[in-house]
Amino acid sequence: DAKTTQPPSMDCAEGRAANLPCNHSTISGNEYVYWYRQIHSQGPQYIIHGLKNNETNEMASLIITEDRKSSTLILPHATLRDTAVYYCIVRPHSGGYQKVTFGIGTKLQVIP
Amino acid sequence: DTGVSQNPRHKITKRGQNVTFRCDPISEHNRLYWYRQTLGQGPEFLTYFQNEAQLEKSRLLSDRFSAERPKGSFSTLEIQRTEQGDSAMYLCASSLDSVLNTIYFGEGSWLTVV
Repeated sequence: DAKTTQPPSMDCAEGRAANLPCNHSTISGNEYVYWYRQIHSQGPQYIIHGLKNNETNEMASLIITEDRKSSTLILPHATLRDTAVYYCIVRPHSGGYQKVTFGIGTKLQVIP
Repeated sequence: DTGVSQNPRHKITKRGQNVTFRCDPISEHNRLYWYRQTLGQGPEFLTYFQNEAQLEKSRLLSDRFSAERPKGSFSTLEIQRTEQGDSAMYLCASSLDSVLNTIYFGEGSWLTVV
């Protein structure tokens, strides 16, 4: 019962920006958008999260639409090491416990 | 900050045997989660602890599964009478009980039941 929709797979050329979309049309006002990635055989790695403003850190940028119904994770210069499954998740950031529910994510293949 | 630590990383066991996985969360994280992941699927929630209290259990956690966090620090997940369908990666995660409650995952423990 994931609350997000992502394309199952994407390709990106090495060195180019990878733009991974996510739809979360039922997001509520207190829910943040989180992104994780999972490299083969490893645990999910936290990337970034945001509420309504665009966010940037050393790994990626997160662009959230004004109506908050969708977002895009941007890897500005994709490398082969960015090949992974990327999960977009919505959950409250505070105010008590909320488990993370994963969908199947987007499998990003970075091509040399 | 050494991250969430899980061991063993890999376990091969015969059907019917019991197995136990251990998780050491990030220091001072009082929330701890267990997830299970099979090939091609996203992680599925199993159970959640707030300190030593187990506050939620998924329907996926059958009677053969038991999780503990006796002192509110490390946790164990035991699977009794393993079945081939239990073959999966078992993920542990932890977070603070505060506004900074990003969930951080360990590297997982792979279980193969033969």
